[in-house]
Amino acid sequence: GQQLNQSPQSMFIQEGEDVSMNCTSSSIFNTWLWYKQEPGEGPVLLIALYKAGELTSNGRLTAQFGITRKDSFLNISASIPSDVGIYFCAPAGSARQLTFGSGTQLTVLP
Amino acid sequence: EAGVAQSPRYKIIEKRQSVAFWCNPISGHATLYWYQQILGQGPKLLIQFQNNGVVDDSQLPKDRFSAERLKGVDSTLKIQPAKLEDSAVYLCASSLLERSYEQYFGPGTRLTVT
Repeated sequence: GQQLNQSPQSMFIQEGEDVSMNCTSSSIFNTWLWYKQEPGEGPVLLIALYKAGELTSNGRLTAQFGITRKDSFLNISASIPSDVGIYFCAPAGSARQLTFGSGTQLTVLP
Repeated sequence: EAGVAQSPRYKIIEKRQSVAFWCNPISGHATLYWYQQILGQGPKLLIQFQNNGVVDDSQLPKDRFSAERLKGVDSTLKIQPAKLEDSAVYLCASSLLERSYEQYFGPGTRLTVT
């Protein structure tokens, strides 16, 4: 079966630092999405990537869809306390359904 | 615009009891999803509806789980009888038919089975 690896599992960073996380898969996907989940809430869509090689920004967030269609990364620049949460990659294949990674728990220290 | 509504937010039951969760999607969203999120993991799709028809329920444990979406709007997910391993957060999400990747999630129902 397909394997989806998200790393790192957790990160502790100082406020103002940049953050990078990534997902790799054994399978090819047509779309990569990144969601953020805060405690007690459902995931919220941050960025959607629809083409291999695509680089997309949303404010301080930048994400790229790997050229092989098997990976994606998410960068957060100049982190702030409200960036705290769990970040999930969620690629989708031909079935148009999302497969969620195991998440990266981000903690921002003041 | 109102988001996806779910109730109850929390539920504690004993094993072998039954439980039901309710979801009201964003108005106009034809596609509705139920996910199970076990602590420390990402959400896992249980069932997907398009309007009031089932698109995919391959991951739904049909011996104990059932779901319906009457009139293509609200949906209920039921577990009967519950097992300890059903303890999880049950998330409902909805999307426009033509933008099925961009899913909007409700706050979830946290189920504890004792």
